[in-house]
Amino acid sequence: SQKIEQNSEALNIQEGKTATLTCNYTNYSPAYLQWYRQDPGRGPVFLLLIRENEKEKRKERLKVTFDTTLKQSLFHITASQPADSATYLCARRAGGFKTIFGAGTRLFVKA
Amino acid sequence: EAGVTQFPSHSVIEKGQTVTLRCDPISGHDNLYWYRRVMGKEIKFLLHFVKESKQDESGMPNNRFLAERTGGTYSTLKVQPAELEDSGVYFCASSQVAGPYEQYFGPGTRLTVT
Repeated sequence: SQKIEQNSEALNIQEGKTATLTCNYTNYSPAYLQWYRQDPGRGPVFLLLIRENEKEKRKERLKVTFDTTLKQSLFHITASQPADSATYLCARRAGGFKTIFGAGTRLFVKA
Repeated sequence: EAGVTQFPSHSVIEKGQTVTLRCDPISGHDNLYWYRRVMGKEIKFLLHFVKESKQDESGMPNNRFLAERTGGTYSTLKVQPAELEDSGVYFCASSQVAGPYEQYFGPGTRLTVT
């Protein structure tokens, strides 16, 4: 099946450190991947999109990489802050505008 | 600019009853999507509208679910009759027709079927 896999275990890091979250995909080659943030009781919020021909993309303290050989995208938050604590979702398009989401990884940043 | 809004925020109904969820997309967004997250699972696509037309309803679980978007503005998702397994959070999202690929999500409606 064409799934998106994210580490289901929560990630706990200390404030100021870099958080790295992983998104793996199998059996297909997505043209691009998206990353969303979701806070409790809220809908997902779009953060970044990276295309297959882009190896890296940055937005402020966020950085996303796309390795088509490893079939993996890494999402980095540098100089993490407690306010970065949330669930981060990886997603891909599957035909037209249909989006498939991973289960998400919860990030906890301790002060 | 107002974001995507959904009503109600929470609904508790008994098995066999009917519930109608409403979504108001961002003004000018022709694309409207419905998603559902069942507890412990990932967010799953239900269907996609372009204006008032259904483009993809491959994710609709069964014929107890009916989505409409009359006039191409707000959309409703009706569940009739509701079953226990319909419980979850229903999200609506919208996006521009030929713009960026990101979707703007509403806060969701938490549906509890008892």
